[in-house]
Amino acid sequence: NAGVTQTPKFQVLKTGQSMTLQCAQDMNHNSMYWYRQDPGMGLRLIYYSASEGTTDKGEVPNGYNVSRLNKREFSLRLESAAPSQTSVYFCASSEQGELANEQYFGPGTRLTVT
Amino acid sequence: AQSVAQPEDQVNVAEGNPLTVKCTYSVSGNPYLFWYVQYPNRGLQFLLKYITGDNLVKGSYGFEAEFNKSQTSFHLKKPSALVSDSALYFCAVRAYGQNFVFGPGTRLSVLP
Repeated sequence: NAGVTQTPKFQVLKTGQSMTLQCAQDMNHNSMYWYRQDPGMGLRLIYYSASEGTTDKGEVPNGYNVSRLNKREFSLRLESAAPSQTSVYFCASSEQGELANEQYFGPGTRLTVT
Repeated sequence: AQSVAQPEDQVNVAEGNPLTVKCTYSVSGNPYLFWYVQYPNRGLQFLLKYITGDNLVKGSYGFEAEFNKSQTSFHLKKPSALVSDSALYFCAVRAYGQNFVFGPGTRLSVLP
């Protein structure tokens, strides 16, 4: 039981390049999330997927797109990377339907855009 | 709109002493409150949560937190700190119809 996995762990991009961050979970969770973590700002929600086939914008969606490929996988795409997107990106999952369900986080992807 | 404040960027405590990491929140409706811990180069790990009922909740690694509705606070506590407790701690809140909102984090340093 690997929990939530993310690839890659590290990535350096040049401004304007594109890339996709991959996330998978093996806990049969319905809900999945993408966050970015910046110093002093905690975690900010980029996009989330309450269930397979649905996606919604979070607090900071500009410059990103997502795909809920199936129940297990939720990818985040940067179409044209900008230095402001330098951050640590975390994927998380949780059971749907209960507000009290905690989230389970992946190990993160550290992205630098030069 | 929901918000979470963690008024201390950094908390230093000597090993063996009690520790408190503070959290206050603002939410419409009944809050669901969570504490997470992040060790270096790792994702966040769930520690404990308050849903309803007893205001004192116990969680992993000997941590506990006290919910205070009148002060809109949910402070994290541990009776005796360990050096291995040194990490970044996040408070989070959720309410009906809303996603999780995380605080900015508090870095805890336990000194030997």
